[in-house]
Amino acid sequence: DTEVTQTPKHLVMGMTNKKSLKCEQHMGHRAMYWYKQKAKKPPELMFVYSYEKLSINESVPSRFSPECPNSSLLNLHLHALQPEDSALYLCASSQGRAFGQETQYFGPGTRLLVL
Amino acid sequence: SQQGEEDPQALSIQEGENATMNCSYKTSINNLQWYRQNSGRGLVHLILIRSNEREKHSGRLRVTLDTSKKSSSLLITASRAADTASYFCATGANYGGATNKLIFGTGTLLAVQP
Repeated sequence: DTEVTQTPKHLVMGMTNKKSLKCEQHMGHRAMYWYKQKAKKPPELMFVYSYEKLSINESVPSRFSPECPNSSLLNLHLHALQPEDSALYLCASSQGRAFGQETQYFGPGTRLLVL
Repeated sequence: SQQGEEDPQALSIQEGENATMNCSYKTSINNLQWYRQNSGRGLVHLILIRSNEREKHSGRLRVTLDTSKKSSSLLITASRAADTASYFCATGANYGGATNKLIFGTGTLLAVQP
């Protein structure tokens, strides 16, 4: 199974809402990532988890809160977002031995719209 | 700033033609990767070329790497309409003293006309 799944596919939320994005992989990967991608731009790294521990936080605002409950699951909790946070949120995973140099496997993304 | 700059930004060709896109990067690398993204979807890994390799093939894809010029090219031969997508190069970047993250280039939007 070489698939990374993400739910939901689409999400519309108000600025006062709390929502969560979910990501799951069953490839035995030990590194998992959240990226944010705006239209016509490359993905930008937000967070990296390695062996269920947060390894990299790219100075992401605290209204984004990642969580890695186990080696297969990655969540992104959203609270008090701004309209400029509207974007495609991509989850990815890799083996975890050298995560800046490994092939990453991406999910299909969650299209988020903040009103 | 981003590690990779790609050109052209957009490329439109006819089915059956070859497509070439280029990537330039700024610092020394261990490897360089190419990914494809269909509109609004996740990225798909295409090929990884190590810094000690000069050329690599995978099906209709040919990647070259010139570390002296800090550049790479992706050639898609005999293109098909299904190749229409954005193509990104990605290189490792240092974080905390180790090459711990990928930085994606600006991307090339390829349109293959049937």
